[in-house]
Amino acid sequence: AQKVTQAQTEISVVEKEDVTLDCVYETRDTTYYLFWYKQPPSGELVFLIRRNSFDEQNEISGRYSWNFQKSTSSFNFTITASQVVDSAVYFCALSEVPLIVGNKLVFGAGTILRVKS
Amino acid sequence: GAVVSQHPSWVICKSGTSVKIECRSLDFQATTMFWYRQFPKQSLMLMATSNEGSKATYEQGVEKDKFLINHASLTLSTLTVTSAHPEDSSFYICSSRRDYGYTFGSGTRLTVV
Repeated sequence: AQKVTQAQTEISVVEKEDVTLDCVYETRDTTYYLFWYKQPPSGELVFLIRRNSFDEQNEISGRYSWNFQKSTSSFNFTITASQVVDSAVYFCALSEVPLIVGNKLVFGAGTILRVKS
Repeated sequence: GAVVSQHPSWVICKSGTSVKIECRSLDFQATTMFWYRQFPKQSLMLMATSNEGSKATYEQGVEKDKFLINHASLTLSTLTVTSAHPEDSSFYICSSRRDYGYTFGSGTRLTVV
């Protein structure tokens, strides 16, 4: 069975600090996709990144970066120089490959990030 | 990009009444729609998976007679909460698979009084 663990329930930082959100996953599949989503107070889910299991290259997008380590089954997310607008709930999720009909996303419990000015 | 339009954004209803939530795929054909429920400060829990033209598949513990899902066309899936009770108050979100990812509706906040 697939499982996603986000051990950090809530993190509080001061603006401009760097913060890393942890994500550990379990799956028996050799191929899979990993995702990160942001959920601001409005409730909508904002897609941040998708990474397939064959691509272990780290990725950077502006202040966001992701560290995928298959050896430790982790897909951590770092926000550099955090801003108040980064305050939200962040979810890590896992899906089987191929993304055929019926393959669902399994979500972690989410991490609440509070960035204080 | 792929858009799923979800309505209503919020709804307040009286106990015992039914509420229908709609999700429309605006620029693609959604053969599959996933329905999630989210309680405050909790994660998204998959309720059911609906496929166009067939019966929905419900997750264990979800009452299919209470949460009626209809996916009559490739662009519309609906979730009807029947005989709603206060414990049904929650945030409901639909999602559809699209290319190599998933697209989500904006969610419906249901309050049953």
